Amino acid sequence: KAGVTQTPRYLIKTRGQQVTLSCSPISGHRSVSWYQQTPGQGLQFLFEYFSETQRNKGNFPGRFSGRQFSNSRSEMNVSTLELGDSALYLCASSLVAYNEQFFGPGTRLTVL
Amino acid sequence: EDQVTQSPEALRLQEGESSSLNCSYTVSGLRGLFWYRQDPGKGPEFLFTLYSAGEEKEKERLKATLTKKESFLHITAPKPEDSATYLCAVRMKEGAQKLVFGQGTRLTINP
Repeated sequence: KAGVTQTPRYLIKTRGQQVTLSCSPISGHRSVSWYQQTPGQGLQFLFEYFSETQRNKGNFPGRFSGRQFSNSRSEMNVSTLELGDSALYLCASSLVAYNEQFFGPGTRLTVL
Repeated sequence: EDQVTQSPEALRLQEGESSSLNCSYTVSGLRGLFWYRQDPGKGPEFLFTLYSAGEEKEKERLKATLTKKESFLHITAPKPEDSATYLCAVRMKEGAQKLVFGQGTRLTINP
């Protein structure tokens, strides 16, 4: 069974631009979560979706948004990029909410 | 505020030298505690789920245990390939029920 896939794997953007990251969960998984990982803050929860509905949201500004499609694929968008948004963005899927999550390889975003 | 604290931050061991990593949590009610392994530049790899105090899970050289306030990841006779950052995460029963991660323990096994 294929794992969680994330595209693109690497991105370089400049301040003020916006970016969209994509995540395809493991087949059959209906829950998708997004995390931001930085050396200083560790893994920080962004949001969690289940059956196209946002179930939870972390403490991030409104510039960070996401959505889930009917096929469980998910996207997250960051508008008006700031230098501090440089991080590894990780997507994780689980069969149902509350189960163990399986992570993708991440998208490394660099903001210049 | 619900918190997850891992100790030590970093640990260096010789190959074959057994040790334990700690994850303590202050959540009011635990729905589940998860252990992950993360290699540099990669996403975390799922290891174990623990649900209730007294529960234990094993996989190769790793054994995870859970009490009411903490979890231990015991590593027996480690090999260099066990070098990685080990993360624990908890999900609460009440409130937002989001997954909260600790800062991780960076484990290095010297040959």
